[in-house]
Amino acid sequence: DVKVTQSSRYLVKRTGEKVFLECVQDMDHENMFWYRQDPGLGLRLIYFSYDVKMKEKGDIPEGYSVSREKKERFSLILESASTNQTSMYLCASSTHRDMNTEAFFGQGTRLTVV
Amino acid sequence: AQKITQTQPGMFVQEKEAVTLDCTYDTSDPSYGLFWYKQPSSGEMIFLIYQGSYDQQNATEGRYSLNFQKARKSANLVISASQLGDSAMYFCAMRGANTNAGKSTFGDGTTLTVKP
Repeated sequence: DVKVTQSSRYLVKRTGEKVFLECVQDMDHENMFWYRQDPGLGLRLIYFSYDVKMKEKGDIPEGYSVSREKKERFSLILESASTNQTSMYLCASSTHRDMNTEAFFGQGTRLTVV
Repeated sequence: AQKITQTQPGMFVQEKEAVTLDCTYDTSDPSYGLFWYKQPSSGEMIFLIYQGSYDQQNATEGRYSLNFQKARKSANLVISASQLGDSAMYFCAMRGANTNAGKSTFGDGTTLTVKP
């Protein structure tokens, strides 16, 4: 069974902390994505990567960075967590440049910054 | 740029009845794919159905069908014989042939509640 696994389902962090959200996929996908989901705003793309060590900003990259040192792993980093980053974070992966195939999602991480 | 519009924040349907969730899109890509995902309260996004822009027939997957009207730029999801387990949030998404790295654009979602 194909899988995208996020390291935590629920996370509570303090303002100012550096936060790491980890995502691993076992499908040998080139593309990986981090989305943020907030009520009424749908899914907004934070960052994506189409290859190892490659990354591009999405629609809302401010306050975030990413790391992709290995093909299967894509990490989202909150450099200094703030309360407005309290949200649901979804990781996804997909095959490269094939618009016929769907994205596969992890189970999501509900992050609360206090 | 791509845009997905879902105009129904919430929908109610009686169990065993059919329901249509609306989705309109805008894109400059000549070739694209349209997707529907289901997100139960547990949070995980589940792929439901895909429609290619050059497909001649509407896609169907079990109780799900996609009513694709290319000229109107709409890709509505039809769920037949609704079940209580269909209660969830539903997202319409698209992916263009010219879109960098196969990024998907998502709508804001529609929350479907199935009443017993």
